[in-house]
Amino acid sequence: DVKVTQSSRYLVKRTGEKVFLECVQDMDHENMFWYRQDPGLGLRLIYFSYDVKMKEKGDIPEGYSVSREKKERFSLILESASTNQTSMYLCASRGGSEYEQYFGPGTRLTVT
Amino acid sequence: GNSVTQMEGPVTLSEEAFLTINCTYTATGYPSLFWYVQYPGEGLQLLLKATKADDKGSNKGFEATYRKETTSFHLEKGSVQVSDSAVYFCALSTSNQFYFGTGTSLTVIP
Repeated sequence: DVKVTQSSRYLVKRTGEKVFLECVQDMDHENMFWYRQDPGLGLRLIYFSYDVKMKEKGDIPEGYSVSREKKERFSLILESASTNQTSMYLCASRGGSEYEQYFGPGTRLTVT
Repeated sequence: GNSVTQMEGPVTLSEEAFLTINCTYTATGYPSLFWYVQYPGEGLQLLLKATKADDKGSNKGFEATYRKETTSFHLEKGSVQVSDSAVYFCALSTSNQFYFGTGTSLTVIP
């Protein structure tokens, strides 16, 4: 079974802090994704990566950056956290020949 | 462009009732279609998928048929259980991008 893990289930940070969310997958997948999930808005794509050191902006990249130094790890960085970044963050991965995405358990981030 | 529209919730049903959650899509090309389920406090899990027109995806008593002529992928279950209470997301995939609906919350009461 594919396993996607995220570094924290719950995180509380202060406004202005730099925040790192880590995601690791164990299936050698080429593609990895970061989404945020908000009530009434569904899932919105922040960034995705189709290879090591490659990244593409999604629909809402402002205020975020990403890093993919190794194939199995995709990090989401909030350079200076703000209260409007309080949300559930979901990481996903997908193999090159597969149709579906596999999701991690999510990190619920609260910025105060 | 590509998009998914699913019926708004919340939906509340009694145990053993019939469930339908409507999903329609707009897409260029030939997308794959999915239903994901999210239980409280968890990430999304793939429930079922269909990769070409007229395919029927099924899992755990849930079914959905890829209807190209009506651009639909409605989720159905003949007899829901309390354990089916969750949020259900319809999604489509073209090449490397996924597009999700906004989710439909289902509550099943005993």
